[in-house]
Amino acid sequence: DSGVTQTPKHLITATGQRVTLRCSPRSGDLSVYWYQQSLDQGLQFLIQYYNGEERAKGNILERFSAQQFPDLHSELNLSSLELGDSALYFCASSVQGAAYEQYFGPGTRLTVT
Amino acid sequence: AQKITQTQPGMFVQEKEAVTLDCTYDTSDPSYGLFWYKQPSSGEMIFLIYQGSYDQQNATEGRYSLNFQKARKSANLVISASQLGDSAMYFCAMREGLKGNEKLTFGTGTRLTIIP
Repeated sequence: DSGVTQTPKHLITATGQRVTLRCSPRSGDLSVYWYQQSLDQGLQFLIQYYNGEERAKGNILERFSAQQFPDLHSELNLSSLELGDSALYFCASSVQGAAYEQYFGPGTRLTVT
Repeated sequence: AQKITQTQPGMFVQEKEAVTLDCTYDTSDPSYGLFWYKQPSSGEMIFLIYQGSYDQQNATEGRYSLNFQKARKSANLVISASQLGDSAMYFCAMREGLKGNEKLTFGTGTRLTIIP
């Protein structure tokens, strides 16, 4: 158990819908990262938050947005969903500082039908 | 150009043998970190080992060691005395820079199967 929690574990929804994925980092970790793992794109970095502020952005679509709340939990919002958004979405957290490893949550498997 | 290259899509290894999973990387930044993660069939990503670009010695964590050859830009994972539970996907990843760029860039992974 990495200490990072993600809900829900599975999500099935239809095209055009909007969903919210939730992540709680390990105790003491200020940084939260979101990654997408799909069969065709592999593991890709989406976005990072540090202590409530956006820190880095990767290949995140405009239909996707995220935020980190004062209690440090984070949410990833996916809207106008398409079939290609079906993927495993991971949240990871780390202590601030690039030398530290990132611990991953169990992931949310999103299926868009 | 790929930043992280894992050239072995799949490997089969006899139980109790040692196995080396290859990883080469590409960066012009003098400060970087290299990571290995294990992803079993259940899907979670498990951190295994970390090597910093300035670390003088190769990283070790139990049965895992990282064969870091800086000049060749390779960071191979060595698993000693393999076990059936080692069957999984293994990902090499890199973090470039010291500050402000903490994202990980992943390779395509190697699927390791341990044969009894």
